[in-house]
Parts: sequence; C-alpha cells; structure tokens
Amino acid sequence: SQTIHQWPATLVQPVGSPLSLECTVEGTSNPNLYWYRQAAGRGLQLLFYSVGIGQISSEVPQNLSASRPQDRQFILSSKKLLLSDSGFYLCARLGQGGTEAFFGQGTRLTVV
Amino acid sequence: AQSVTQLDSHVSVSEGTPVLLRCNYSSSYSPSLFWYVQHPNKGLQLLLKYTSAATLVKGINGFEAEFKKSETSFHLTKPSAHMSDAAEYFCVVSDQTGSQGNLIFGKGTKLSVKP
Repeated sequence: SQTIHQWPATLVQPVGSPLSLECTVEGTSNPNLYWYRQAAGRGLQLLFYSVGIGQISSEVPQNLSASRPQDRQFILSSKKLLLSDSGFYLCARLGQGGTEAFFGQGTRLTVV
Repeated sequence: AQSVTQLDSHVSVSEGTPVLLRCNYSSSYSPSLFWYVQHPNKGLQLLLKYTSAATLVKGINGFEAEFKKSETSFHLTKPSAHMSDAAEYFCVVSDQTGSQGNLIFGKGTKLSVKP
C-alpha cells in the first residue's frame, strides 16, 4: 500500500525558533512530493514540490525551505519561524497519472 | 491554467435535510476531480473521485457527486445530513499540464449541521 507518514501531528513553537517537518513515503519509488499549507480561513496553497532527490521547486516566496535528501523523504524547514507561518501543513503525492492523491495526516503548527 | 472555485465558504443545514456543496472548475482537458473532507484537527479523507469513467460518482458516507462537463461543475450532494458530516470539504482538481503534476484545491466549504 502507498502510505505517507508525516510528523509531528501538532507543534507549538516560539517566534524565531527553527522548524523541521518530515514526510516519508512507503510503497513507491521516485514519487513526486508536495508540501501544502492551509492558513486560518484560507484554502490549501502549494508551497514546494519535488520530482526527485535534491530537486525542489518553490511556488511562493516565503520564510520556509524544503529538501529531498532521500527518494522517499521530503522535509520542510525554517531557520526562524514567524507568526505568519502558523497553519496546517500537508505532505502529499500524486499517483497513476494524477488520478490518485495521497496525503499525510498533516501538522498543525502554531507559532507563538 | 487549472482552477477550482467552491462557491460557498459556509453552508448550514439541518440534520436530515439534503446537502449541496458546489464546485466549479476550469480545465483545458478532461481532469481528475476529487472531494476531500477534513474534520477538526484531522487530516484529509477522500470522499470520492472522478477519473473519466462514470459521471455520477458515489463515495463514502452516502455522498455522491456528478461531473457535468457542459457546466464545468462537480457538486457534492448527500440526501440526508448527519451531525457527523459537520466538517470542511475541499474540491480538488488534478493538474497534469506540467511535468510534475499538481493538485489544485478549492478554498473549502465549511458545513455546519444543526440538530
């Protein structure tokens, strides 16, 4: 089966602290992976996507970065969190020509 | 470019009455369309998906959606709402125009169910 593990589920961090959210994928190789964010009262926005190891594309300028150190690992990071980084972060992949979508459980980040 | 519009940010119904959550999309070709539900503090759960097979798609928990190409719509319906249906619902289109593919999300519709 194709499973996405994402952790932690919830996180409360002070402003200025670093961030690392991890996403790992099972059951497939060389997946296209995505990080989305849902800010309060808004829809899900694509932040980054990766088509392979070391290949990261950013959709919006921001305080965050992403890395793909291994084929099935996708990491979202920040050196210094801002209040505006609060939100619900979701790791995802597409499968089978875009007819399937798989999601992690999400991380609810609150920056205080 | 692909886009998804959920026409209502908030829908409120009484328990036992029908549910209609509206979604329109724009696409240059026949897309894959999904409806996901997000309960408070939970991840996304797939309700149903359309992938160019039958235009009337049945999903979990009594939900269904009809793909209408002429109207570029994919509205989500349920004959009778339950209290447990209260959640946020996302209409999603799969964009395969780029090499990497993408999921385009609507802004979500929050469904409230009154007793």
